[in-house]
Amino acid sequence: DSGVTQTPKHLITATGQRVTLRCSPRSGDLSVYWYQQSLDQGLQFLIQYYNGEERAKGNILERFSAQQFPDLHSELNLSSLELGDSALYFCASSVLGQGALNEQFFGPGTRLTVL
Amino acid sequence: AQSVTQLGSHVSVSEGALVLLRCNYSSSVPPYLFWYVQYPNQGLQLLLKYTSAATLVKGINGFEAEFKKSETSFHLTKPSAHMSDAAEYFCAVSDRAASGNTPLVFGKGTRLSVIA
Repeated sequence: DSGVTQTPKHLITATGQRVTLRCSPRSGDLSVYWYQQSLDQGLQFLIQYYNGEERAKGNILERFSAQQFPDLHSELNLSSLELGDSALYFCASSVLGQGALNEQFFGPGTRLTVL
Repeated sequence: AQSVTQLGSHVSVSEGALVLLRCNYSSSVPPYLFWYVQYPNQGLQLLLKYTSAATLVKGINGFEAEFKKSETSFHLTKPSAHMSDAAEYFCAVSDRAASGNTPLVFGKGTRLSVIA
């Protein structure tokens, strides 16, 4: 158990819909990252938040957005869903420490299926 | 931009045989390097990490990896494969030059099968 929790574990929805994925980082971790894992694209970084502020952006679609709340949990919002958005979405967290060892701890993921 | 190449999308070994999973990175400055393992229907678990303290890094479950700057490689090895090692293995890098934590760039993964 990494200490990172994600809900829900599975999500099945239809094209055009909007969903929200939730992530709670490990206690004390200030950085939250979202990654998408799909068969054709592999593991891709989407977005990073640090202490409530957006820190880095990767290959995140405009239909997707995220935020980190004062209690440090994060939500990833996916809208106007398409079949190709079906994937496993991981959240990871890390603490911004001295030397920036950048060890990231991953949650179990949310499997999104768009029908 | 950083990139990671994992040679071989699928590696099959016999139980008790040597495991060798290859990873090469592209970066002008040696990055931080990581190996993660993903068991079926689970998240990613850190096996080991290279941060410059030593070029031979020992991780969990008997795995180790050697950083070779001249070859820009960080191959993962285990002397004797066990059935429980069957999983997907990912090599990842992060930018050492930037301050603070940075996102990981992953390779495409290598699926390890262990044959009894």
